[in-house]
Amino acid sequence: ETGVTQSPTHLIKTRGQQVTLRCSSQSGHNTVSWYQQALGQGPQFIFQYYREEENGRGNFPPRFSGLQFPNYSSELNVNALELDDSALYLCASSSRRAYNEQFFGPGTRLTVL
Amino acid sequence: DQQVKQNSPSLSVQEGRISILNCDYTNSMFDYFLWYKKYPAEGPTFLISISSIKDKNEDGRFTVFLNKSAKHLSLHIVPSQPGDSAVYFCAASVGGGDYKLSFGAGTTVTVRA
Repeated sequence: ETGVTQSPTHLIKTRGQQVTLRCSSQSGHNTVSWYQQALGQGPQFIFQYYREEENGRGNFPPRFSGLQFPNYSSELNVNALELDDSALYLCASSSRRAYNEQFFGPGTRLTVL
Repeated sequence: DQQVKQNSPSLSVQEGRISILNCDYTNSMFDYFLWYKKYPAEGPTFLISISSIKDKNEDGRFTVFLNKSAKHLSLHIVPSQPGDSAVYFCAASVGGGDYKLSFGAGTTVTVRA
């Protein structure tokens, strides 16, 4: 069984640029959630996708957007990057049938200069 | 607004002794609680969960206690082992573990030999 994978591992961008982060969910999982973890803090919920539709959003501006594909993999897009967007971005997948915990990937470390 | 709080940033415990991690929450709608463990350069790993209809859940060395009236939960690790050294996050959700998770800031546990 393949776990949650994310790419790239690390990324450096400059302020104002755009970035796309990718996530492959665990086999059999149809729900993907994205979290932002700033240094010294717990993960903060960005949004969740279930069967290719956004299914809940946290307190993040519209320049944070996402997609989920038919194979349940997902992308997180961030436009007009700001210095405060520097963080670890975590993807988590789960199965609604299981009504259970989310399984996290290793994350993408984004640095905005 | 931080709805889940872990007020102890760090905990040091001797190998073989009990580790007790605490977590408080403010949102009375939370009905599912989880503990995750995180090693450096890895994503959070699910440890144990508890539904609001229970006050205790046990899994091997890990036990979670829930006090709904106090809006407080705790994680007990007995006996503590060196491999338990990690950051522990408390998380809560409404409707189940596969929905939006609200995390605490984490507690860093160091198990001394």
